[in-house]
Amino acid sequence: DTGVSQDPRHKITKRGQNVTFRCDPISEHNRLYWYRQTLGQGPEFLTYFQNEAQLEKSRLLSDRFSAERPKGSFSTLEIQRTEQGDSAMYLCASSGIQGWGTEAFFGQGTRLTVV
Amino acid sequence: AQSVTQLDSHVSVSEGTPVLLRCNYSSSYSPSLFWYVQHPNKGLQLLLKYTSAATLVKGINGFEAEFKKSETSFHLTKPSAHMSDAAEYFCVVSDPSDMRFGAGTRLTVKP
Repeated sequence: DTGVSQDPRHKITKRGQNVTFRCDPISEHNRLYWYRQTLGQGPEFLTYFQNEAQLEKSRLLSDRFSAERPKGSFSTLEIQRTEQGDSAMYLCASSGIQGWGTEAFFGQGTRLTVV
Repeated sequence: AQSVTQLDSHVSVSEGTPVLLRCNYSSSYSPSLFWYVQHPNKGLQLLLKYTSAATLVKGINGFEAEFKKSETSFHLTKPSAHMSDAAEYFCVVSDPSDMRFGAGTRLTVKP
C-alpha cells in the first residue's frame, strides 16, 4: 500500500483549456474526497464519493467541474474551460472501510496553474 | 450541515512554552474530529483524532486535544513547543454528510 497518489503533481494550462486530474486512493477505502486549497487558506471541500456514488457536492463547484469514480476505485476531477481563478492545489483524500468516522489520508496534491 | 471555526489565524510562542490552538465546531450529528498539520510544501498529516471514545485524545509529537461537547470545542495543546512544530494546523470535523476543514492556524515558534 503506497498511500493516496495523485497525477499529475503539477499542471500548467492556458485559460480556456480543459484539464483532468487523477486520484488513486488507498485500496479498499470506500470514501474519496476532493478539496481545493489556495495559498494561505484551508482545504475547501469540493465533493466526495462513497464507493462509486457521489454523495455530496459543494455549491462552490461550478458546472465546469465534474468528478467521477467509476467502479469505486480511482477518481478523476475534470475542469472545463479553465479560468485563472481555478489556479490552486487540488487535494484528494480517502478514508477507510469503517465509515465516515475514520481519518482521511491525503495525497500530495496536484498544483494547477492557469495562465 | 457542519462548520469549523479556528479562533486564531496565527499563534506565536517561544520554544519551550505551551501551545494552545483553539477550535469550535458545529454539526447536526455526533461528529468525529481531527487535527491535521501541514508543514511548508508538505502534505497533510494526521496529528490526532476523536471518535467518541475518551474525550482527552493524545496524538503524535506530544500534542493533545480535549473534546468538550457542552462547549462544542476541540482545542489542541502541547506542553512545550519545539521549533519543528512551526507549521499550519487544521481542525477538521467529519460526519455522514462530508468532512470540513477550518481555515487553519499558523503556529510560529520563536527561539
